[in-house]
Amino acid sequence: RKEVEQDPGPFNVPEGATVAFNCTYSNSASQSFFWYRQDCRKEPKLLMSVYSSGNEDGRFTAQLNRASQYISLLIRDSKLSDSATYLCVVTPPPYIPTFGRGTSLIVHP
Amino acid sequence: EAQVTQNPRYLITVTGKKLTVTCSQNMNHEYMSWYRQDPGLGLRQIYYSMNVEVTDKGDVPEGYKVSRKEKRNFPLILESPSPNQTSLYFCASSSSPGGGGTEAFFGQGTRLTVV
Repeated sequence: RKEVEQDPGPFNVPEGATVAFNCTYSNSASQSFFWYRQDCRKEPKLLMSVYSSGNEDGRFTAQLNRASQYISLLIRDSKLSDSATYLCVVTPPPYIPTFGRGTSLIVHP
Repeated sequence: EAQVTQNPRYLITVTGKKLTVTCSQNMNHEYMSWYRQDPGLGLRQIYYSMNVEVTDKGDVPEGYKVSRKEKRNFPLILESPSPNQTSLYFCASSSSPGGGGTEAFFGQGTRLTVV
């Protein structure tokens, strides 16, 4: 079983839609969790950290469910500029960041 | 400006010709890492370093070497490149010792083609 699993998509949604991605992880001792965004052929960049209490940044909401070992990312009111690949990052012991393969999002007019 | 700098950005080389991809960060980060990214396979870790003179294998270390003689530099060496090493390579650094607790900053990537 892979350490971090994501649905590769693509998720194809119209502008204004709400879309959610999940990411599951296998090691219950994992600590820090993040979502990164990667545009085509460019470097990944941090989108947001994920906390147990959930956190929101504008149209983006991230949640962590430790009991079920998954994290989620919700994007409301999708924009064309949200089109990208979203990478889930988990840190299982020895706390080296482990990346999921990414979920592709395409927002169309 | 805080950044991770990789060079070269693009490289085409021939099988067997040794090459080095340089990576330098100006944030005094302890943790540095190399990844390769291939279609459908995501980011796979090649090697990482938790501090000067401390390096360890990632998931796909075969055919690669690294060194960490200074905190800011973490070069990736391909002693005898082969076509299956054609890929997009990223260097990353992070301030936390294990690399996992804080944001990772990535270089702009090196697109390597081995013919």
